[in-house]
Amino acid sequence: QVQLQQWGAGLLKPSETLSLTCSVYGASFSGHLWTWIRQPPGKGLEWIGEITQGGSTNHNSSLRSRVTISADMSKNHFSLKLGSVTAADTAVYYCGRRVATPVHVDLWGQGTLVTVSS
Amino acid sequence: NFMLTQPHSVSGSPGKTVTISCTRSGGSFVSNSVQWYQQRPGSAPTTLISGSNLRSSGVPDRFSGSIDSSSNSASLTISGLKTEDEADYYCQSYDTVNHLWVFGGGTKVTVL
Repeated sequence: QVQLQQWGAGLLKPSETLSLTCSVYGASFSGHLWTWIRQPPGKGLEWIGEITQGGSTNHNSSLRSRVTISADMSKNHFSLKLGSVTAADTAVYYCGRRVATPVHVDLWGQGTLVTVSS
Repeated sequence: NFMLTQPHSVSGSPGKTVTISCTRSGGSFVSNSVQWYQQRPGSAPTTLISGSNLRSSGVPDRFSGSIDSSSNSASLTISGLKTEDEADYYCQSYDTVNHLWVFGGGTKVTVL
């Protein structure tokens, strides 16, 4: 069964860097694209960015300068870093497997709540 | 860029049918370009429908999707409403010009 398991620090101080990793189990990592989506408490879903099989990335322009998405195929995982976090970055962060066409998520990670607080 | 607008909430009694709209501002939907996700309280979203009307594996046929080009909107219809259908529902599409994902604001479905 294909699963995505994500982990990372759940409590950060303002200006620190958020770092999350999503491991892929039961699927070919290199055969798919991968994405990150977040959801502030009580709010809707916001796309953060994605990474292709070839390592190319694309980010939400509202976050682009702070976002780094990378992948390690040897470890079957991909990662998200978001720099200079503020309270506005408090959210549940989800990793997902991205389908090429039509563009959507067909498999979700369990979500990680990241809280930014001084 | 375009936006997707959903009603904040819809409700219905068990066994009834509810429809959630997703209206696109600017441009037009391509026929297979809308996805729907269900998110139960405290859980990660799950994918209900892709390509506007293709149900994901395991999704009952009580859930159906459609596009109305004349109103530039997509719809998710839930028939035979069950208490387990209480959840938030999100539509999603892709901006092919700017290469970014667009989500609707979400609709809370309440089963009365």
